Parts: sequence; structure tokens; C-alpha cells
Amino acid sequence: GQQLNQSPQSMFIQEGEDVSMNCTSSSIFNTWLWYKQEPGEGPVLLIALYKAGELTSNGRLTAQFGITRKDSFLNISASIPSDVGIYFCAGQLKGGNKLTFGTGTQLKVEL
Amino acid sequence: GAVVSQHPSWVICKSGTSVKIECRSLDFQATTMFWYRQFPKQSLMLMATSNEGSKATYEQGVEKDKFLINHASLTLSTLTVTSAHPEDSSFYICSAIWTGDNTEAFFGQGTRLTVV
Repeated sequence: GQQLNQSPQSMFIQEGEDVSMNCTSSSIFNTWLWYKQEPGEGPVLLIALYKAGELTSNGRLTAQFGITRKDSFLNISASIPSDVGIYFCAGQLKGGNKLTFGTGTQLKVEL
Repeated sequence: GAVVSQHPSWVICKSGTSVKIECRSLDFQATTMFWYRQFPKQSLMLMATSNEGSKATYEQGVEKDKFLINHASLTLSTLTVTSAHPEDSSFYICSAIWTGDNTEAFFGQGTRLTVV
């Protein structure tokens, strides 16, 4: 099935640093979602974006819905050890419920 | 947020046997649920769309006779892996669609299936 291109594939950063990851698609999506998945668990929704250009924050997380509707990025400010995990973007088409997932970004935080 | 419960969390079965995985939306009704499969260090791949009261819609390449899906009520969908083989070993995750002001997908905690 189709997947979204997500980068970077993995990141190894120091505690306190800011993190940025992005997701691009050849298709236009009407909704962009960002999830975090920890080992052995299902994904947990972090941020949902519904309008092109929308910038939404959730604590230290900020995500933006690209103007072209073909991309989105996620920023994590002042990272902490519990931020480790795999972050997935997901796109949703207009009128549909299916999600197309990105390839994932694995985040590792060094103390 | 809405809660989706998946059971069991893990299961080990012998080759040739069948395994049933349940996905329940605990505090909302979901006419649509999805089943995903995830291999280690990979993304979630959609297997099928489960529709309450009708047949499931399978993604290309997914065998409907092997992965039986039943969505008999608005809060329960089941995935049965029939005649399981070691290559069916994987992490299976369900999601349920919550329709409020916006449509959101909430995920179960996943089921680790190991076929020996």
C-alpha cells in the first residue's frame, strides 16, 4: 500500500535539544495526523491538523499542515528522555476514514 | 480521549491453528474499524476496513479467507487468523473511528502474534 515519505528515519539527540521531522506525499490530504508509538503499544494521537497552513501546538509539540496539503512537519522543543519512541505521520483523504501512514521517525534521546 | 481496547495483548499458537483478536471501542460507537499489520521497525500497513453490519473491505494482497473479519456490533470487530503459519507472526493493531466535531482514529494497544 501507499506510504508517506517521512524524514529523518531516525534521530539521536541530546536532552534539551529541539527536534524536527517532516512528512511528504505525492497526494493531497485533507487531514494530517501525528502519532507516537512506543514498543509493544499501539500509536497514540499527538496532534491533528485539519486546514492547510494550520499550526497547532500540544505542550512542547508543534505541528503544521503544509500549504500545498502535501506535507506536514512536527517539532518537539526541549526534548526529554520520555520523548523516545517512533513518530508516525498519517494522512487522510477528504470524505474517507482510511489513514495512510508515514515510514516513521525513531527518536532516541541521550541524557 | 476515546478508548479502544484490543485483546489479547499477545498470543502464541501452533501452526495450523486459528487465532481470534478482538477490538472494542469502550466509550463510543464505531461503524468503521481498521486492522493493521506491523513488522518490526516498519510502519503500519492497512489490511482491511471493517464495516459494522457489512463485509469487510480488504487491501490488495491481503487474503480475505485467511484473515476473517467480523464487525457484528458498533463496539466490536474481530480478526481471525485462520490456519496460522510462522510467517503470520506479526504485531496486529486495530483502530476505531470516532466521529465528533472531527473524525479521529484511536488505536488499540496491539496484539503480538507468534506462530510456532
